Amino acid sequence: DAGVTQSPTHLIKTRGQQVTLRCSPKSGHDTVSWYQQALGQGPQFIFQYYEEEERQRGNFPDRFSGHQFPNYSSELNVNALLLGDSALYLCASRWTGGETQYFGPGTRLLVL
Amino acid sequence: QKEVEQDPGPLSVPEGAIVSLNCTYSNSAFQYFMWYRQYSRKGPELLMYTYSSGNKEDGRFTAQVDKSSKYISLFIRDSQPSDSATYLCAMSAGANYQLIWGAGTKLIIKP
Repeated sequence: DAGVTQSPTHLIKTRGQQVTLRCSPKSGHDTVSWYQQALGQGPQFIFQYYEEEERQRGNFPDRFSGHQFPNYSSELNVNALLLGDSALYLCASRWTGGETQYFGPGTRLLVL
Repeated sequence: QKEVEQDPGPLSVPEGAIVSLNCTYSNSAFQYFMWYRQYSRKGPELLMYTYSSGNKEDGRFTAQVDKSSKYISLFIRDSQPSDSATYLCAMSAGANYQLIWGAGTKLIIKP
């Protein structure tokens, strides 16, 4: 079992650009959540996808959007990047009937 | 005031010591409590999961939840240098609710 995988591992962008991050959930998992973790902070919930729909959303602007595909993989898109978007972006997956979620290694985004 | 408070540390202890890590919270609706370990530049790894109040033990790790005090703890016995990491508490009001996280405590185990 490969666990949760994310790509790319690192990314450097400039202000105003757009970025797409990708996540493949753990085998058997159908629910994917995205988190932003700034340096020295705990993760902040961005949104959760189930059955290809956004089910919950945290306090993030509309610049942050996502998608879930029929195979349960997911993308996080961020438009009009700001310096403050620099962070580790984490994907977590779980089975919708389960109670615990498992995290991928994250994508480290640096906005210059 | 944050919903979940956690001392960021760092907490430095000698190898073999018992480590106590703690979080306090303000939302009495929280029912699910988790501890994650995060090594530098890695994703969080689930260590312990507890539903409602009580204790749970897994090897060298013990998790305690005191809902009356809104206080959770993680104890690590016989600490090892490989336990050096950031420990994050997380909690939610339900299985399908978003996790609310502490800021994490950096733990250093000195050989």
